[in-house]
Amino acid sequence: EVQLVESGGGLVRPGGSLRLSCSASGFIFNSYNMNWVRQAPGKGLEWVSSISSSTTYIYYADSVKGRFTISRDNANNSLYLQMNSLRAEDTAVYYCARDQYFDCWGQGTLVTVSS
Amino acid sequence: DIVMTQSPDSLAVSLGERATINCKSSQSVLYSSNNKNYLGWFQQKPGQPPKLLIYWASTRESGVPDRFSGSGSGTDFTLTISSLQAEDVAVYYCHQYYSSPSSFGQGTKLEIK
Repeated sequence: EVQLVESGGGLVRPGGSLRLSCSASGFIFNSYNMNWVRQAPGKGLEWVSSISSSTTYIYYADSVKGRFTISRDNANNSLYLQMNSLRAEDTAVYYCARDQYFDCWGQGTLVTVSS
Repeated sequence: DIVMTQSPDSLAVSLGERATINCKSSQSVLYSSNNKNYLGWFQQKPGQPPKLLIYWASTRESGVPDRFSGSGSGTDFTLTISSLQAEDVAVYYCHQYYSSPSSFGQGTKLEIK
């Protein structure tokens, strides 16, 4: 069974940092591009970042460029999102999603940025 | 950047009736070299992650009931639910994966009339 499990969310002060993880199982992780998508409370879906299977291509939304860093560890079937200089507007549930179609999603991890 | 605009923002349909959601992209998402529209549709129920229903604009994901169908090409797309069931109450999103940044529509909330 294909499964994605996010972790690492929590409450952080403005200006602080968090590192999100996404653990993948049930598929050949190093064959797939991976993505982060977020959803602010009561709002729609916002694409955050994508990374190709071999890390050749990396993309970021303008809203997070220069503050967030996506990475992956294909040996350990894991995807990461390092989030620095966090702002209140980064408060959201963060999902990892597989492939260009976003065909499989994790349950999400909640990041709350508040003083 | 490609902007995705859905209509309507909300929709109330009677059980057993047809529901239609529209999605318009600010530029074409049809890739001419393979004649594929890089357009997907998602369903999201409260407290759950989005679920892929349709990709390549009209290909139903495995396990998705055949009452869900996608159509359109270029910049104009439609998700149709042929006979609304109670479990179809959700927010629906279109999504383009033609170019980065990937982008979603604002969502359409579907309710029972």
